[in-house]
Amino acid sequence: AQSVTQPDIHITVSEGASLELRCNYSYGATPYLFWYVQSPGQGLQLLLKYFSGDTLVQGIKGFEAEFKRSQSSFNLRKPSVHWSDAAEYFCAVGVYNFNKFYFGSGTKLNVKP
Amino acid sequence: KAGVTQTPRYLIKTRGQQVTLSCSPISGHRSVSWYQQTPGQGLQFLFEYFSETQRNKGNFPGRFSGRQFSNSRSEMNVSTLELGDSALYLCASSLASQPGATNEKLFFGSGTQLSVL
Repeated sequence: AQSVTQPDIHITVSEGASLELRCNYSYGATPYLFWYVQSPGQGLQLLLKYFSGDTLVQGIKGFEAEFKRSQSSFNLRKPSVHWSDAAEYFCAVGVYNFNKFYFGSGTKLNVKP
Repeated sequence: KAGVTQTPRYLIKTRGQQVTLSCSPISGHRSVSWYQQTPGQGLQFLFEYFSETQRNKGNFPGRFSGRQFSNSRSEMNVSTLELGDSALYLCASSLASQPGATNEKLFFGSGTQLSVL
């Protein structure tokens, strides 16, 4: 069965520090992977997605993620965090041809000044 | 271009009542999905509609139902509300019919916060 695990519920980093949010997935076929961000009281916004090709994908707001098939991971990274990045981040797997997505339980990011 | 619009923004109901939530997708989007978001559970897929047909369904009881109209607007209904139904219900629309398409992504509304007392 498909599933997505985000092992870190909360993460706190200092402004300007680097960030890595972990995501592991379980899916029998080639996964379609996404990262979304949710600000308080808002819906989710797509940061980036991986369908095929280069395993390092660039997204909006300076985020990137790397797909590692051998580790079933799709970790999100940012070299220097800004205070405005404080939000909740969700990793998701898309099931091809069914327009159905499985989301992780989310990681809340706090940014210290 | 207007985004995904969900109404109402907040709802308070009591156990046993029923509720209807509404979602207007982005113009031109034919697929509408519904998700339930609760703290610690992340987003759980409820169902997805495309051209007025339910294509996918998650693992929710039959008390949760939905429909889509010819203008792609969608409604979600929950009957016989339980305390555990308290959650943020998110609607998302997308343009393409398959997630493998290069322009495929979900556009989310701000959600309807349902509280069941």
